[in-house]
Amino acid sequence: AQSVSQHNHHVILSEAASLELGCNYSYGGTVNLFWYVQYPGQHLQLLLKYFSGDPLVKGIKGFEAEFIKSKFSFNLRKPSVQWSDTAEYFCAVKRPGGSYIPTFGRGTSLIVHP
Amino acid sequence: EAGVVQSPRYKIIEKKQPVAFWCNPISGHNTLYWYLQNLGQGPELLIRYENEEAVDDSQLPKDRFSAERLKGVDSTLKIQPAELGDSAVYLCASSLDGNTEAFFGQGTRLTVV
Repeated sequence: AQSVSQHNHHVILSEAASLELGCNYSYGGTVNLFWYVQYPGQHLQLLLKYFSGDPLVKGIKGFEAEFIKSKFSFNLRKPSVQWSDTAEYFCAVKRPGGSYIPTFGRGTSLIVHP
Repeated sequence: EAGVVQSPRYKIIEKKQPVAFWCNPISGHNTLYWYLQNLGQGPELLIRYENEEAVDDSQLPKDRFSAERLKGVDSTLKIQPAELGDSAVYLCASSLDGNTEAFFGQGTRLTVV
């Protein structure tokens, strides 16, 4: 079974700082990768996803993530964060195929100070 | 387009009482998931449905938890009897099929006292 590690549990930044959240997974085969965001009081929303093709994926709100197969990583980045980016961020991995389910990391809490 | 709808949003019950959660997935989505999210943790799968069939329920504590998805649309998750350790957020999600991304509801926050 695959597992997902998010090493940064809490991140505090000032506005305009750059962001990188780490995500590593354990499965060695082909994977689908996701980043979800949960704003305070709201539901989990998909930020971006990787299924195949260009390993640099661009998502909503200026976020991007890079799939590095050799490092089993899918780190989330944003060059300049805003106060409104304060939220919980979850990385998820899924093996391709309908019989597999997404497995989530424990999440990273991001606080951006204005 | 309406998203995944869950009710209730919040529920407080005494231990040993029963409780039920309801989920209406996005129209046309065949796959439905129930996840459990404890404080400071990521969602953990309880059960997955493909249409009306439960295809992955290995993480569902079957002695007290049950779920159903009649007619392959709405789903209910029940706990009977509830224990203190069941306090958590119960999330419902749906996807077009097992190969596409999941869309989540707002969850039901259960507090067992």
